[in-house]
Order: sequence, then structure tokens, then C-alpha cells
Amino acid sequence: GQNIDQPTEMTATEGAIVQINCTYQTSGFNGLFWYQQHAGEAPTFLSYNVLDGLEEKGRFSSFLSRSKGYSYLLLKELQMKDSASYLCAVKDSNYQLIWGAGTKLIIKP
Amino acid sequence: GAVVSQHPSWVICKSGTSVKIECRSLDFQATTMFWYRQFPKQSLMLMATSNEGSKATYEQGVEKDKFLINHASLTLSTLTVTSAHPEDSSFYICSAPVGREGLEAFFGQGTRLTVV
Repeated sequence: GQNIDQPTEMTATEGAIVQINCTYQTSGFNGLFWYQQHAGEAPTFLSYNVLDGLEEKGRFSSFLSRSKGYSYLLLKELQMKDSASYLCAVKDSNYQLIWGAGTKLIIKP
Repeated sequence: GAVVSQHPSWVICKSGTSVKIECRSLDFQATTMFWYRQFPKQSLMLMATSNEGSKATYEQGVEKDKFLINHASLTLSTLTVTSAHPEDSSFYICSAPVGREGLEAFFGQGTRLTVV
């Protein structure tokens, strides 16, 4: 079956750095997405990786290793507003998005 | 940038009634719209894919007669939950692929449905 694994919850301190990992087993691969979702709101797009390596976008970076079925989202200079769930999703061979359950990130002062 | 507007943002209805949720693409034409459902603390689950001018494609286990999808124009897709029951209470979200790669980058604001 297809599976996306990411930690359920993480806690970090304001101003620090946190890395959220995602591993996947899917039938085919056509890109990996990271989304941010605040409670009660729709997800917002953060990043897209289809080739191996690091994509940097401001305070957020996303890394992909296709051979390992692994990605991480790196958040730097954490702010209180970064408290949210972070969703990892993979497009499989049918271009269907397979979603992880999300990682709830709690930022403490 | 591209915007998907979803309405209503929340709705409370009685069991047995129907509720219509609308998603509009405001500055682009959406030939495809994805409809998701999300229960608390769970993943987004794809319910169906609507295609302008043709029948929607439903995921396994989703009742097409209960969740009616209409995509009559390039800017409007609707999801109607018919004969709603308390177990249908959930967060419903639409999303339109945008851009050359069809990235699912833009979501509607979501609709919180509570059936009492």
C-alpha cells in the first residue's frame, strides 16, 4: 500500500530551527509537497520538490532524496505564528496526491 | 496570484437536509477541481475530482449519490451533501491545480459542516 509517515507532534522554541521529516512509500513518484495548515483553515502551499536536493525559500527549506523516499522541511528563526500543522504529500504514478497525517508544530516562547 | 474562493466557510444543518458548498476560481479557469474531506486530526482525504463539462470521478468508498458534484463552468464547482447525517460533519476543502505542472497549490478556505 501507499504510505506517508511524519511525526505526529513536535515542539520547538521561538527563534530556533526545527526539521520535520517525512518518509514515503508510494506507487511511483511525481513530486513531493509541503503544506502549512492552521487549525480550522485550509492548507497553504509551502514547497514542491521533484528532484533531489534542497529548495530554499526564505525561512523555509525543503529537502528531497528520492532514493531514500525521504524529505524534510526545515524552518529557521521560528516565530509564534509558525505554530501549525505541516502536511507532507506525494503525487504517485497516477498523479494523485497521497497525504500524510500532518505534524503539529508547537512553538514555545 | 490564483485564488480559489469557497463558500460558506461554516454551516450548521439539520439531519436529513442538503447543503451546497461552492468553490470559485477567481482569476483563472479551473477545468479540474479536487474535493477533500478532513476529519479532526486526520489527513486530507480526496473525495472526488470534478471536471468541467463531464462527470466527476469519485474515490472508492465515496457515495456519488450522496455527494453530488457539479462543475458546470470553468470557474465554479459545487459539492452538495444530500440527506446529511451527523457523521458527515467534517471540514470540506476544494483545490484547483494551477500552473504548468498542475501543482495543487491553491485551496479554498474550507467549509466546516456540522450536522445536528
